Amino acid sequence: DQQVKQNSPSLSVQEGRISILNCDYTNSMFDYFLWYKKYPAEGPTFLISISSIKDKNEDGRFTVFLNKSAKHLSLHIVPSQPGDSAVYFCAASARMNYGGSQGNLIFGKGTKLSVKP
Amino acid sequence: EAGVAQSPRYKIIEKRQSVAFWCNPISGHATLYWYQQILGQGPKLLIQFQNNGVVDDSQLPKDRFSAERLKGVDSTLKIQPAKLEDSAVYLCASSLDLGNTQYFGPGTRLTVL
Repeated sequence: DQQVKQNSPSLSVQEGRISILNCDYTNSMFDYFLWYKKYPAEGPTFLISISSIKDKNEDGRFTVFLNKSAKHLSLHIVPSQPGDSAVYFCAASARMNYGGSQGNLIFGKGTKLSVKP
Repeated sequence: EAGVAQSPRYKIIEKRQSVAFWCNPISGHATLYWYQQILGQGPKLLIQFQNNGVVDDSQLPKDRFSAERLKGVDSTLKIQPAKLEDSAVYLCASSLDLGNTQYFGPGTRLTVL
């Protein structure tokens, strides 16, 4: 039973355009969401996060949007650059409401983003 | 600031052999996590420590996997005996405290033949 779903295994975008990566979740106890970026042969690197009390968080070229009613979040990268080519993982956590395992991250399967020059 | 260190980076063993992985978290981080990432999947939590105590090991196959963090700093993860399905990347992560952002090491790629 996948609690965090990234339904697009891959995405190809032209340099300079917007990349939109999507993520859906099923557990209404999740209250904190993160995006990690992973290059080959490296560990995931934290990119951006959002708490369930917000619907948007922005950091430079990266913006995460959260729609709690739809249990959906998305990562927007504008403008996309070739160096953004990587696998992006969506992760969720029930930091405050889930007794015991605070900080336990549930990851999606990832979306491989390719930004073409 | 140094990141999370892991060794070895790669390991190839035969089934039924044993293997151990080592992790050194970011200095001052109280919480340490071990994840297993099978090819094509996202990382899955195996065990979580707060200082030298286990917070969550509900997904650790305890018949063959063990982990310890004796002094609340470094940690080792052991598999004995290994099975073919244990082939994966084993990631260590640390965070300042429970619920804080997790920072990952480069991982150990294990191949079981």
